[in-house]
Parts: sequence; C-alpha cells; structure tokens
Amino acid sequence: GQNIDQPTEMTATEGAIVQINCTYQTSGFNGLFWYQQHAGEAPTFLSYNVLDGLEEKGRFSSFLSRSKGYSYLLLKELQMKDSASYLCAVKKTSFQKLVFGTGTRLLVSP
Amino acid sequence: GAVVSQHPSWVICKSGTSVKIECRSLDFQATTMFWYRQFPKQSLMLMATSNEGSKATYEQGVEKDKFLINHASLTLSTLTVTSAHPEDSSFYICSALGLAGNEQFFGPGTRLTVL
Repeated sequence: GQNIDQPTEMTATEGAIVQINCTYQTSGFNGLFWYQQHAGEAPTFLSYNVLDGLEEKGRFSSFLSRSKGYSYLLLKELQMKDSASYLCAVKKTSFQKLVFGTGTRLLVSP
Repeated sequence: GAVVSQHPSWVICKSGTSVKIECRSLDFQATTMFWYRQFPKQSLMLMATSNEGSKATYEQGVEKDKFLINHASLTLSTLTVTSAHPEDSSFYICSALGLAGNEQFFGPGTRLTVL
C-alpha cells in the first residue's frame, strides 16, 4: 500500500512564511511533485524533487529527504492569492503515474 | 507549450445516460494520458492510465466497464461515464505525460453533475 499524508488545513498571515509538510510511504519512488490548486481549477506545477535537498524557485522552495520519506513546501512572503490547496504527489516508477497526497488547504489572511 | 484541453468544461446529465469527456494535448503528442477524479474538498484520485493504441490500465476499485477509456490518437483520450448515477458527480481531470516522460500537464477539468 501507499500513504501520503499532509495536514488538512493551515492558516497564515500575509507576508509570513509557511511550511507545508508531506510524509509518504510508497514503493517504486521516482520523485515528488508539489502542485497548487485553486477551487474548481486544475492543479498547476510548483516544484519537482528527485534527489535529496532543497530546490528554490522564487518565493517557493521544496525539500526532499528520501530516507525519511519526507518533503516540505516552503512559501515565503505570503500573498492573499496564495490561498489555495497544495498537493504533494509521488511519482511512481510504474507507468510514471502520480499518487496524490491528501492535500492541504492554506488560508492566507490580511 | 504543453497545453492540455478538456471538453466539455461542465456537463449536467440525467441519471442513466452516458457522458463522454475529451482530453486533448494541443501542441505535443502524448502516448500516455491519465484520468483523475476529485470529490469536493478531497485530493485527486487516479482512475486509470490511458496508453495510445492499447487498453487502459485501471486502478483498483475503478470499474472499467463503467468508465470507458479510449486513447485513439497521440493527442486524444476520451473517458465515457456509462449509465451515470448521482454518485458519479465529480470533477474529472486528465493529464498528459510530456515528451520527456517526466512531467504531467493537466487539463482544466470537467465538472460532471448527474441529476
């Protein structure tokens, strides 16, 4: 089986920093993606980690530890438009398919 | 580049009817496409992997006779929900695997409401 867990909801203030964690237990691991999804829309790509360490892209950074089955997404200088759901997804070696985590709804308040 | 479209964007149908949803890769060829279902406030659940020219691979618990998938060309996959029931009401999202085989590009989704 496979478990990919994230906190259900998080709240933060505009301008702050928030870290969204993702833990996973899965076979055939071939990388981890982070997506942002606004209500009623498709997910949009944020980051991809296949090796251990930190990947930085503007206000967004993502970290991966394969030995610990752990990743996090770090959002800096939060803006109101960052209010959305954030999904981590493990890429499997079989058919390159993605298995999504439970998703984290982030609410940014003024 | 790497744009994926879905049609229709929303559909309302009566219980017992069939609904076809199209997924197209507009500017690249995709030998592999994926179909997901998302219920309100839940994450995406993979339904099946669609491969051009061969039968789709369904995830455990997904009825292949109810959710018919046809990947007829390198740019088109269709999902037909047969004999739809209210519990099939959901947001259906497709994705296409990019040429590098690394990243999935998602369509905008189709909201299905079965009355």
